[in-house]
Amino acid sequence: KQEVTQIPAALSVPEGENLVLNCSFTDSAIYNLQWFRQDPGKGLTSLLLIQSSQREQTSGRLNASLDKSSGRSTLYIAASQPGDSATYLCAVPSYGQNFVFGPGTRLSVLP
Amino acid sequence: DADVTQTPRNRITKTGKRIMLECSQTKGHDRMYWYRQDPGLGLRLIYYSFDVKDINKGEISDGYSVSRQAQAKFSLSLESAIPNQTALYFCATSAAANYGYTFGSGTRLTVV
Repeated sequence: KQEVTQIPAALSVPEGENLVLNCSFTDSAIYNLQWFRQDPGKGLTSLLLIQSSQREQTSGRLNASLDKSSGRSTLYIAASQPGDSATYLCAVPSYGQNFVFGPGTRLSVLP
Repeated sequence: DADVTQTPRNRITKTGKRIMLECSQTKGHDRMYWYRQDPGLGLRLIYYSFDVKDINKGEISDGYSVSRQAQAKFSLSLESAIPNQTALYFCATSAAANYGYTFGSGTRLTVV
């Protein structure tokens, strides 16, 4: 059974800092990995989808990497802004089918 | 209009009542999912459907049922609501196994 963990559970940084969020998964036989952002009480917004054949994906100030062999992904946020404050979740397929979600990292970027 | 629309956005209901949550999508995706989110427990899969004739239980299907009325519509029912079904419910869609998910905005359900 696929299990997903995320470290840290919460993070507070001053505006302008670069930061890294971590995601680990137990079953490396995955098609892809997806990072989401969730604002309090709101839906999930897809940030990046990395296919298993890719090592990284970039979108603006966000960069996600994937190391299947070690069961890890990182989400790098450059030059953080208060608007980046949210919970970030990673998700990977279980047995190539439905996504299993990590518990999330709650990020606060202080002005 | 949103790609994945959930109705209602918020609902308060009494214990024992039957309630239906609806999801419709304009993505043209075959795969649809229902998840619930609870503080500290994350997102857990309730039911999923890979096409109109396919319905599968997720990890927490007890107390729930679903109906896939069309490719674009997937409804979740609570036959007799109980307070521990108070949660945020999300519908999601996907085109295929190697595609990502698109989520609706969620339904906040409170059972009193």
